[in-house]
Amino acid sequence: AQSVTQLDSQVPVFEEAPVELRCNYSSSVSVYLFWYVQYPNQGLQLLLKYLSGSTLVKGINGFEAEFNKSQTSFHLRKPSVHISDTAEYFCAVSDWGSSASKIIFGSGTRLSIRP
Amino acid sequence: GAVVSQHPSRVICKSGTSVKIECRSLDFQATTMFWYRQFPKQSLMLMATSNEGSKATYEQGVEKDKFLINHASLTLSTLTVTSAHPEDSSFYICSAPRGGRDHGYTFGSGTRLTVV
Repeated sequence: AQSVTQLDSQVPVFEEAPVELRCNYSSSVSVYLFWYVQYPNQGLQLLLKYLSGSTLVKGINGFEAEFNKSQTSFHLRKPSVHISDTAEYFCAVSDWGSSASKIIFGSGTRLSIRP
Repeated sequence: GAVVSQHPSRVICKSGTSVKIECRSLDFQATTMFWYRQFPKQSLMLMATSNEGSKATYEQGVEKDKFLINHASLTLSTLTVTSAHPEDSSFYICSAPRGGRDHGYTFGSGTRLTVV
């Protein structure tokens, strides 16, 4: 079984500052990794995903994440945040067993941007 | 791209009544649909997995008789909350894997259920 741990429940950051949202996963098999963003009372929007290949993954809205197999981490970064990045961010994992494998979410990190 | 349409977006019902939530895949066939529940300021918890033409698989602790899931066709999955109580008030989201090498998931926009 897979699990995902997001170490920070809230991250306050000043506008235009860099940010890193941490994610660690646990799995006995190879996995796919995802970062999703959720705005209030809305569904989820995919930021980026790691399937294979290059460990540095670039996503939408200027976000990127790096897959580190030895540290079982998939931290999300952005060099300069904007007020509009205020949202809830979820790290997620699914296994390689099937293209229809269920996706398991971390507890989420609330990113709040201060002007 | 692949779209899952979820309805209604918001519903208020009286305690003891039932509510049906629909998720339709608009431009692809969803043989599998995942149903999640999200309480305020919490993560998405997987409730059950529905598969077209077979019985749904429920996660541990989820009452099968309370949360009825039907996957009637390759484009429609429904979740019915029966005899709803205030503690069932939550945000419900469906998700369909698109399959293939993309290994992507398409999420519905969610349903805010309030039981009064």
